[in-house]
Amino acid sequence: DSGVTQTPKHLITATGQRVTLRCSPRSGDLSVYWYQQSLDQGLQFLIQYYNGEERAKGNILERFSAQQFPDLHSELNLSSLELGDSALYFCASSLNSAGANYGYTFGSGTRLTVV
Amino acid sequence: GQNIDQPTEMTATEGAIVQINCTYQTSGFNGLFWYQQHAGEAPTFLSYNVLDGLEEKGRFSSFLSRSKGYSYLLLKELQMKDSASYLCAVHQAGTALIFGKGTTLSVSS
Repeated sequence: DSGVTQTPKHLITATGQRVTLRCSPRSGDLSVYWYQQSLDQGLQFLIQYYNGEERAKGNILERFSAQQFPDLHSELNLSSLELGDSALYFCASSLNSAGANYGYTFGSGTRLTVV
Repeated sequence: GQNIDQPTEMTATEGAIVQINCTYQTSGFNGLFWYQQHAGEAPTFLSYNVLDGLEEKGRFSSFLSRSKGYSYLLLKELQMKDSASYLCAVHQAGTALIFGKGTTLSVSS
């Protein structure tokens, strides 16, 4: 157990729908990162939050949004889902916004299947 | 932006030594990480280099040359359980870790 908790573990939904993925960071970590992993693209950085505020943005689609709450848990919202959104979505956390020295700790991921 | 290249696949036998290379192009370099990822599981931290040179940690070592934009991960005394993907990731100032597509290592007996 890495200490980063992601729910749900699996999600199957239809095209056009909206889903919410949840992440609780490791105790004491202030930064949360969201990554998407598909077979052909590898781990793609989506977005980072630090202590409730957006800190960095990667290749996140406009249909996707995220937030970090006062208790530091984070949610990733995916809307108007398409077949191509099927992927493993990982959340990671780190103590500070740089994540230096020890990198990030990853959760076990949410496998999203869009049918 | 960043460009990170590593071989797609490598094979080796138990007990052998394997070197996985990674080249990168970035500005504002803040460190290079190696992660191990078994299929369907979370990536786990292996090593971190921010200065030139070799970092050794048990059977695993990682090397960095910042002037050449080059790193390698060296795995010694390979075991079957080392079959996994190895991800090179670069930290650029002001953004998050950016990962290469990973190298899938298959270890056979």
